[in-house]
Amino acid sequence: EVQLVQSGAEVKKPGESLKISCKGSGYTFTNYWIGWVRQMPGKGLEWMGIIYPGDSDARYSPSFQGQVTISADKSISTAYLQWSGLRASDTAMYYCARHLGHSGSDFWGQGTLVTVSS
Amino acid sequence: DSQMTQSPSSLSASVGDRVTITCRASQSIRNYLNWYQQKPGKAPKLLIYAATSLQSGVPSRFSGSGSGTDFTLTISSLQPEDFATYYCQQSYSTLVTFGQGTRLEIK
Repeated sequence: EVQLVQSGAEVKKPGESLKISCKGSGYTFTNYWIGWVRQMPGKGLEWMGIIYPGDSDARYSPSFQGQVTISADKSISTAYLQWSGLRASDTAMYYCARHLGHSGSDFWGQGTLVTVSS
Repeated sequence: DSQMTQSPSSLSASVGDRVTITCRASQSIRNYLNWYQQKPGKAPKLLIYAATSLQSGVPSRFSGSGSGTDFTLTISSLQPEDFATYYCQQSYSTLVTFGQGTRLEIK
């Protein structure tokens, strides 16, 4: 059974750093892209970027380029989303998803809620 | 990257109704258009991929059509569990983009 399990909710202060994770199981992790999606409170879905764990090729949507870092450790089938200096506007639910390219994202993590508040 | 525009942004309908949601791309995306359903507090769920293909396990009352720039999602007979928010997504390029969503509410 394909599963993506994300790390738990986080509460951080502005300026702090954070790394959240997404662990894949039930499939060959290195053969599929992993995408990250932001959903701000009460808002729609925003595609942040993707990574191919096989070679760590990461690509970012323009709105998120330079704001976050996407990485992966294929030895433990885990992808990461990282911030070096959080802002209140980063408060959101973050989802990872297995991305099939042209055929969309077929499996999703349960989401990680990030709250940034002083 | 292609911008995606969904309409309507919200919709009220009754159980048993036939409902259509549209999605327009700012440039041709061939048939690389996917539809998702999201319920409150849950992750999105893939319903339709490549404009017309039904994802495994999704009820046949859901269908998709279109190519190029204009696409539709149709629910043939609304069921109580279908009240949710629906998003289109273009996957023509790796710079994937979503529509703004359509909230389907009970009339």
